[in-house]
Amino acid sequence: AQKITQTQPGMFVQEKEAVTLDCTYDTSDQSYGLFWYKQPSSGEMIFLIYQGSYDEQNATEGRYSLNFQKARKSANLVISASQLGDSAMYFCAMREGLANTGNQFYFGTGTSLTVIP
Amino acid sequence: DAGITQSPRHKVTETGTPVTLRCHQTENHRYMYWYRQDPGHGLRLIHYSYGVKDTDKGEVSDGYSVSRSKTEDFLLTLESATSSQTSVYFCAISEPGPYEKLFFGSGTQLSVL
Repeated sequence: AQKITQTQPGMFVQEKEAVTLDCTYDTSDQSYGLFWYKQPSSGEMIFLIYQGSYDEQNATEGRYSLNFQKARKSANLVISASQLGDSAMYFCAMREGLANTGNQFYFGTGTSLTVIP
Repeated sequence: DAGITQSPRHKVTETGTPVTLRCHQTENHRYMYWYRQDPGHGLRLIHYSYGVKDTDKGEVSDGYSVSRSKTEDFLLTLESATSSQTSVYFCAISEPGPYEKLFFGSGTQLSVL
């Protein structure tokens, strides 16, 4: 079974509007971490936001927020006020187990976001 | 940002030849990873390392080997390159901390003809 599932291969959003990128995960661990990375056309992987499995509040980083629904095992990324520079590939990832214990990180297949002027 | 360098950045090789990709970090971090990125597959783990001479296989390890003789260097070898190994290869290190995020190198575009 896939550890991380991203069901939206491509998304379009109008500039200045909000967009939600979907991510579901599969783990039986109680301790895990969820991440979102951005990959612009230049190819580098840029960390955006993190949510720990024990965090009760949704993580936020500027225009990025993570809608964490533990019971549904979903960790959707919300980008508010989209900008042209947000056009990129976005990857959801999960670290199973406690931090700093040599666990693997699993990635989804990515969502390509295009912001329309 | 973490000091992580991959070399070469681009490589074209022929089927059947061995290829070695290098990942170098200046952070002295313990855990290092090799991923490959392919359209429709996202990033898939090839091998990872817990420390010097301590490595383990990921989900797509067939045809690849790794070595880590020094903390700062993690080498990925394609023993006999095949066209299916044409891909973008990323090295990553995990930064210790409350949530241990991954930092990535710039990637190596490998083409096997």
